[in-house]
Amino acid sequence: EIVLTQSPATLSLSPGERATLSCRGSQSVSSYLAWYQQKPGQAPRLLIYDASNRATGIPARFSGSGSGTDFTLIISSLEPEDFAVYYCQQRSNWPLTFGGGTKVEIK
Amino acid sequence: EVQLVESGGGLVQPGGSLRLSCAASGFTFNTYDMTWVRQAPGRGLEWVSAISSGGGNTYYTDSVKGRFTISRDNSKNTLSLQMNSLRAEDTAIYYCAKRTASGWFFDYWGQGTLVTVSS
Repeated sequence: EIVLTQSPATLSLSPGERATLSCRGSQSVSSYLAWYQQKPGQAPRLLIYDASNRATGIPARFSGSGSGTDFTLIISSLEPEDFAVYYCQQRSNWPLTFGGGTKVEIK
Repeated sequence: EVQLVESGGGLVQPGGSLRLSCAASGFTFNTYDMTWVRQAPGRGLEWVSAISSGGGNTYYTDSVKGRFTISRDNSKNTLSLQMNSLRAEDTAIYYCAKRTASGWFFDYWGQGTLVTVSS
């Protein structure tokens, strides 16, 4: 099973600041990695798929990069609605796995 | 508009059974693979099971193999998860989700249904 480790666990930032989230795999997942956003009481929302492709309707301030074992999600300038928990997920191998999440909170 | 609506959650005793359903609309259900993902209270996301568009291929995480069965009825646009021998650690919100066209990521999710396993 591929283990995805997200860091940091919590990121405390102010609106307008840049957020950098990391996801590291226990083995290579090529570019088969996605990022999701989840707000309290809501289902997850797909942001990025295949490492760097924005999903439909996702603002340009969200960008993803990386390949192999190291991936990054960048939110270039945090909007109030961006404070949430972010998860990465790999589809390279079964079982599909998610990272433990990074909470982006208001400082 | 794509809609996924889960039902069937509730309180069940350890060792009991429950059947979850997910009613799909707004897309051609029989052409998309589907999945179940769960989230224990206050915890992260955990993939549970998946099924191919025609139902011929199914996948499970190890912790539910032999206890859970995923199925679909394409004539009724419905996805199901039969859960047997339930354990306390199965307590979670269960989400159904639709696979993207490009791979096993999930672009539409239901609102979830809560399963509580407790005596």
